[in-house]
Amino acid sequence: KNEVEQSPQNLTAQEGEFITINCSYSVGISALHWLQQHPGGGIVSLFMLSSGKKKHGRLIATINIQEKHSSLHITASHPRDSAVYICAVRSFYSGGGADGLTFGKGTHLIIQP
Amino acid sequence: DGGITQSPKYLFRKEGQNVTLSCEQNLNHDAMYWYRQDPGQGLRLIYYSQIVNDFQKGDIAEGYSVSREKKESFPLTVTSAQKNPTAFYLCASSIADREYSDTQYFGPGTRLTVL
Repeated sequence: KNEVEQSPQNLTAQEGEFITINCSYSVGISALHWLQQHPGGGIVSLFMLSSGKKKHGRLIATINIQEKHSSLHITASHPRDSAVYICAVRSFYSGGGADGLTFGKGTHLIIQP
Repeated sequence: DGGITQSPKYLFRKEGQNVTLSCEQNLNHDAMYWYRQDPGQGLRLIYYSQIVNDFQKGDIAEGYSVSREKKESFPLTVTSAQKNPTAFYLCASSIADREYSDTQYFGPGTRLTVL
């Protein structure tokens, strides 16, 4: 089974700072997801990527398949970005089935005004 | 508006009682999932269903049961056999087209507390 590690576990930063959250995995994957969970508990899918880089507003996600590593960046961070960010991977061996997603434990981000 | 609804948001149960958590979606998605989230742990898959009248066990199915009689609905029953049921439960759905997309859309969750 794929092992998904996120770092840091907790991150507190000041408004406006550039934020980087990392995700490493142990087995080759077909796709990687970044999710955002707000304090109320609801989860929103931010990105799904299998190579390269994707950008949406102030959020940028990159993946390096050879190094089995992905990063989520937030530019010009704002207090409303405070949330738990979760990395999830779909491993090749899963055949794309629903049981193939492995989730990281999440990174708890707090942006202070 | 399309989306996934879960009810109730908070649920309290006495030890030894069964309880059913509701999950409804109007996204016309074929696939639906139930996850459990505990503090300091990643989401863990309980059950999933790719089509109506069919479902599969996930990683931690013991003590849980599901049904999928309608495309829109995937209720989860937490039985008295579940030894540690207090947790946050999340329902999700996705287009069951493995080739193009498996982005999952999540409901707001139900927080279950066993007294």
